[in-house]
Amino acid sequence: GQNIDQPTEMTATEGAIVQINCTYQTSGFNGLFWYQQHAGEAPTFLSYNVLDGLEEKGRFSSFLSRSKGYSYLLLKELQMKDSASYLCAGMDSNYQLIWGAGTKLIIKP
Amino acid sequence: IAGITQAPTSQILAAGRRMTLRCTQDMRHNAMYWYRQDLGLGLRLIHYSNTAGTTGKGEVPDGYSVSRANTDDFPLTLASAVPSQTSVYFCASSEQRDTDTQYFGPGTRLTVL
Repeated sequence: GQNIDQPTEMTATEGAIVQINCTYQTSGFNGLFWYQQHAGEAPTFLSYNVLDGLEEKGRFSSFLSRSKGYSYLLLKELQMKDSASYLCAGMDSNYQLIWGAGTKLIIKP
Repeated sequence: IAGITQAPTSQILAAGRRMTLRCTQDMRHNAMYWYRQDLGLGLRLIHYSNTAGTTGKGEVPDGYSVSRANTDDFPLTLASAVPSQTSVYFCASSEQRDTDTQYFGPGTRLTVL
């Protein structure tokens, strides 16, 4: 079956670094997406990885290892506005996104 | 206004009633999607459309129907609502249905009593 696993909740301190892990099992693979979702709002796109390695975009970076079925999202210099849920989604061979349940990130001052 | 709009924002519905959730995008995207989001679960695809005039079933299509008469609109209909359809519904679109980024509307919170 297809499955995406990510931690339910994480807590970090303002100004620190946090890494949110995601493991995936999909039927075929066409890339790994990360989205941010603030409470009561729509998901918004953060990153897309299809090749192994690290993609950096400002304070956010995303890493992919296809051989391990593993990705992580790295958030640096955490700000209070980063408090949100972070959704990992793998795209299968039919171009359908398989979504994890999301990781709720709580930032403390 | 660029983006995706959904209506209504929220709705309380009696079981057995028919309901249509509206979704309109102005980005001229070919592909559109309907998801439901329930607490503790990932987003689940209900139906999708690769382009105007075509639709397909997602992971949880039972009890829902869609149509895609033109590029901009993608309504989702619940023919006879049941309490298990209580959820937050998100419409999304992307340029193509392959690896393109999906953009989401603000969502409709539906409660079926």
